[in-house]
Amino acid sequence: DAGITQSPRYKITETGRQVTLMCHQTWSHSYMFWYRQDLGHGLRLIYYSAAADITDKGEVPDGYVVSRSKTENFPLTLESATRSQTSVYFCASSDEGWDEQYFGPGTRLTVT
Amino acid sequence: DQQVKQNSPSLSVQEGRISILNCDYTNSMFDYFLWYKKYPAEGPTFLISISSIKDKNEDGRFTVFLNKSAKHLSLHIVPSQPGDSAVYFCAAMGGGSNYKLTFGKGTLLTVNP
Repeated sequence: DAGITQSPRYKITETGRQVTLMCHQTWSHSYMFWYRQDLGHGLRLIYYSAAADITDKGEVPDGYVVSRSKTENFPLTLESATRSQTSVYFCASSDEGWDEQYFGPGTRLTVT
Repeated sequence: DQQVKQNSPSLSVQEGRISILNCDYTNSMFDYFLWYKKYPAEGPTFLISISSIKDKNEDGRFTVFLNKSAKHLSLHIVPSQPGDSAVYFCAAMGGGSNYKLTFGKGTLLTVNP
């Protein structure tokens, strides 16, 4: 499928488990981003990547790990999930930088 | 410290009337502003943007106005349609250390038929 996809779309996991959320884009965009959306907070940046093998922290990086070995993939790993990480996670990509980002459909993660 | 504020969590308007969504920012280094639209169970989609060198940008039924002195921008939708019902996020970015996109909390717009 063309565009940007996220998997899984829904995930329920237990506290302490490791979880990986996948993000794949077919445009060969340089930039990729991970956001979380929580009630009362809007969209907050977790991590971003300007190119393969280049990643950097955003506003709320604690408890998350990212990697980008290929331009098209940008997985987000929760090393030991906590209830506070229950959220909707959006991946995005952009060809030219920070503006006009294209968002995936989101992953709703529940940590019990 | 919320640098981009959307003080109205929700707005309800009648079909055919004007919708005005407001956004305030505190960081004077922001020089580029965007609006995103989000439907339930979907990711946000880019709607319209404006650079600080302009005070108005139009795209069809959507117009964004920027008042730099007041650090305020607004999105006007005319005429409003039921399909415009969505959450609208204001976002801002700038130079130096402000290059990252900062989002507001969003405003839920409901357009009633």
